[in-house]
Amino acid sequence: DGGITQSPKYLFRKEGQNVTLSCEQNLNHDAMYWYRQDPGQGLRLIYYSQIVNDFQKGDIAEGYSVSREKKESFPLTVTSAQKNPTAFYLCASSTYVRGLQETQYFGPGTRLLVL
Amino acid sequence: EDKVVQSPLSLVVHEGDTVTLNCSYEVTNFRSLLWYKQEKKAPTFLFMLTSSGIEKKSGRLSSILDKKELFSILNITATQTGDSAVYLCAVVNGTASKLTFGTGTRLQVTL
Repeated sequence: DGGITQSPKYLFRKEGQNVTLSCEQNLNHDAMYWYRQDPGQGLRLIYYSQIVNDFQKGDIAEGYSVSREKKESFPLTVTSAQKNPTAFYLCASSTYVRGLQETQYFGPGTRLLVL
Repeated sequence: EDKVVQSPLSLVVHEGDTVTLNCSYEVTNFRSLLWYKQEKKAPTFLFMLTSSGIEKKSGRLSSILDKKELFSILNITATQTGDSAVYLCAVVNGTASKLTFGTGTRLQVTL
């Protein structure tokens, strides 16, 4: 089955701890994205990557880090510098046609809770 | 800064009603506008609109874009309880190749 997978489904973080959220896609998409969703605020872009070994900050990158060592994988680390990490995290991917981004498709999400 | 505003924020209708959801936007270098449906988890893609005045239709759902007035509407006819969800609108900035989302419209369809 082609698609985007995220793990874990739920994640608990202790104060001062770094945690990593996994995102994998087998759609052969070039671009991958991380969003954060809080109640009443829609989706906000954290980081995105248009090609392997390259990524750009989104609108709310502070306290987060990413890597893109493989086309299929785009893990997100929530660092201890992120003071309010409790949220629903969504990963997405898309392809490019004639240099322009096509529709983004989403994974099932990871809900992060702080203990 | 790109901006998307959706209205209403929430809506409760009876099964069988027709609803219209609104999305207005400001974006530099407009590429496309996307509609998604989000139930409990991941948003699922509904429509991508790039040209004004051309209606996209899928079953009871349809959508149209007005690039002059910078808005789009999503219509759902003969609503069913399975249409209950948050409907998200997003615009693609062709220069930055990224999406900006609105806060969504929460639709509840009751029996």
